[in-house]
Amino acid sequence: DAGVIQSPRHEVTEMGQEVTLRCKPISGHNSLFWYRQTMMRGLELLIYFNNNVPIDDSGMPEDRFSAKMPNASFSTLKIQPSEPRDSAVYFCASSPLRGLSQETQYFGPGTRLLVL
Amino acid sequence: GQSLEQPSEVTAVEGAIVQINCTYQTSGFYGLSWYQQHDGGAPTFLSYNALDGLEETGRFSSFLSRSDSYGYLLLQELQMKDSASYFCAVRFRGPLVFGKGTRLSVIA
Repeated sequence: DAGVIQSPRHEVTEMGQEVTLRCKPISGHNSLFWYRQTMMRGLELLIYFNNNVPIDDSGMPEDRFSAKMPNASFSTLKIQPSEPRDSAVYFCASSPLRGLSQETQYFGPGTRLLVL
Repeated sequence: GQSLEQPSEVTAVEGAIVQINCTYQTSGFYGLSWYQQHDGGAPTFLSYNALDGLEETGRFSSFLSRSDSYGYLLLQELQMKDSASYFCAVRFRGPLVFGKGTRLSVIA
């Protein structure tokens, strides 16, 4: 099992540019989560999907952020336009939807975003 | 609301035992989880307590007391590689809610 796959691993961009982060969850996992981590705010849940459907996006900072999950094996988080304060590590995680195993989330390696 | 409190930093000596506490201000959650994150890495699952009591996994143990709104992670025979951040987390009807994390530094 390859685990949760994220790309790119590092992204450096200029303010105002569009940034797209990608995630492939573990096969068979029905829940997918996008997190942002910074020193100041810690680990923040941005949005999560169950069976490809967005359930709660209350953590999305503002309209510049959007996320999609067109199928069970792929999700994107888009920032348009990007701002320096968006610089952070963005993690994608997945878990099963049912049973005790849903208590365990498997995190991808993260995308380190720097907006200049 | 849902609130988890952890110490921000803990320092301990190699070979010693350290306890990282987690207190919460809510009830009705499914259980208490612990995650470890090394610098530059991703959070990884360590343990889960569905019921009150102690769960042991090698050098790591985790404890939950719902009546006391309290849990802890116990690390024994500390090794330098245990230096990392440790997060407690609870789940209600939705996704996990994470604490701010405790940064553990193991010194020689």
